[in-house]
Amino acid sequence: EADIYQTPRYLVIGTGKKITLECSQTMGHDKMYWYQQDPGMELHLIHYSYGVNSTEKGDLSSESTVSRIRTEHFPLTLESARPSHTSQYLCASSETQGHQEQFFGPGTRLTVL
Amino acid sequence: GQQVMQIPQYQHVQEGEDFTTYCNSSTTLSNIQWYKQRPGGHPVFLIQLVKSGEVKKQKRLTFQFGEAKKNSSLHITATQTTDVGTYFCAGRGGTSYGKLTFGQGTILTVHP
Repeated sequence: EADIYQTPRYLVIGTGKKITLECSQTMGHDKMYWYQQDPGMELHLIHYSYGVNSTEKGDLSSESTVSRIRTEHFPLTLESARPSHTSQYLCASSETQGHQEQFFGPGTRLTVL
Repeated sequence: GQQVMQIPQYQHVQEGEDFTTYCNSSTTLSNIQWYKQRPGGHPVFLIQLVKSGEVKKQKRLTFQFGEAKKNSSLHITATQTTDVGTYFCAGRGGTSYGKLTFGQGTILTVHP
């Protein structure tokens, strides 16, 4: 089982609140990713990082921001949550060499009321 | 930009029937990966294909990579209820260090 963790697993919050979704991995992977996925739908890449102090926006425009101050930690922040942000957020990491298979965390299911 | 299309979107089968999902890329891929996501779970890596025309098997699952490295398929023989889930292909374009682009996924339902 991959060592990648996400907290909280479930979050219900009111509109306008600031939230931070946590993601940590203990595999020493340089590459980390955030995906947004609605139930039964495709994965949309919203942010990725190739190492410390490196962050890039993904294919799907998102109002969230990310930071990568430490290799193992890749938090995602929403400054002002809206109902349209309701979704599942999946964090993943991969090595830089070899297969570069992505290991996914369990996800955070976010509901904004 | 690179696009990866996957069909069908849904597939309902009776237990014991075969199942195939297809993946097509708008550009030549350096490699392609397949993932499985169980209902309520997260995607889990199944396999990576790198070589043109490559075929790999995992028990009842057969993965193929096209000769032109622009398409791939996953075939499951004699489906079981444990095969239920969403199967995603993910293509890597350009160099082997390029970004991974996921297909839309195929949701497989197996009726006992």
